[in-house]
Amino acid sequence: DTAVSQTPKYLVTQMGNDKSIKCEQNLGHDTMYWYKQDSKKFLKIMFSYNNKELIINETVPNRFSPKSPDKAHLNLHINSLELGDSAVYFCASSQDRGIGFFGPGTRLTVL
Amino acid sequence: GENVEQHPSTLSVQEGDSAVIKCTYSDSASNYFPWYKQELGKRPQLIIDIRSNVGEKKDQRIAVTLNKTAKHFSLHITETQPEDSAVYFCAASRLNTGFQKLVFGTGTRLLVSP
Repeated sequence: DTAVSQTPKYLVTQMGNDKSIKCEQNLGHDTMYWYKQDSKKFLKIMFSYNNKELIINETVPNRFSPKSPDKAHLNLHINSLELGDSAVYFCASSQDRGIGFFGPGTRLTVL
Repeated sequence: GENVEQHPSTLSVQEGDSAVIKCTYSDSASNYFPWYKQELGKRPQLIIDIRSNVGEKKDQRIAVTLNKTAKHFSLHITETQPEDSAVYFCAASRLNTGFQKLVFGTGTRLLVSP
């Protein structure tokens, strides 16, 4: 009965590679998000989708491209990975402006 | 835009003591203030929230207070236990944007020693 799930949990890759992280929520929420948590634990929003439409796009390099095939899924594709992309990426969902639920996180390590 | 500052960055207490974490915000229009707890290697989880129409909210051993005039809010944990050890984040947003536009503080690492 997992509310927000992400795959993979861990991702180790070389610089320059392209990788994707997948997220799914079974809460029936309209809005989904990607957050980045850096090594200092700072949590910052990257993107938000509402009913498959992009509504928040913070200052994120265009190597990061979110895709929402339907309102239960939000994937994150990263091109040309750099060392500075190493972080924990959290997917989250909320019913519009309500309480948000985070996924378990994906720890990305770029070597 | 909103800016949230959080202090202290680390806090060590003995089991049974109280712990207080403080946050200040910059946007006077912010009116929703949740607190999240993140255990090591886990996801952030909402533990308590407060809206600007109340000054204090309590849930068992945790309480949050809000001073709208001074634009600061605090988390109080009484009778701390080792399982309270975690990183705590405050956040702020306007209620009409809620989780959509939450701005998080930088986190406080709380260590409760037995």
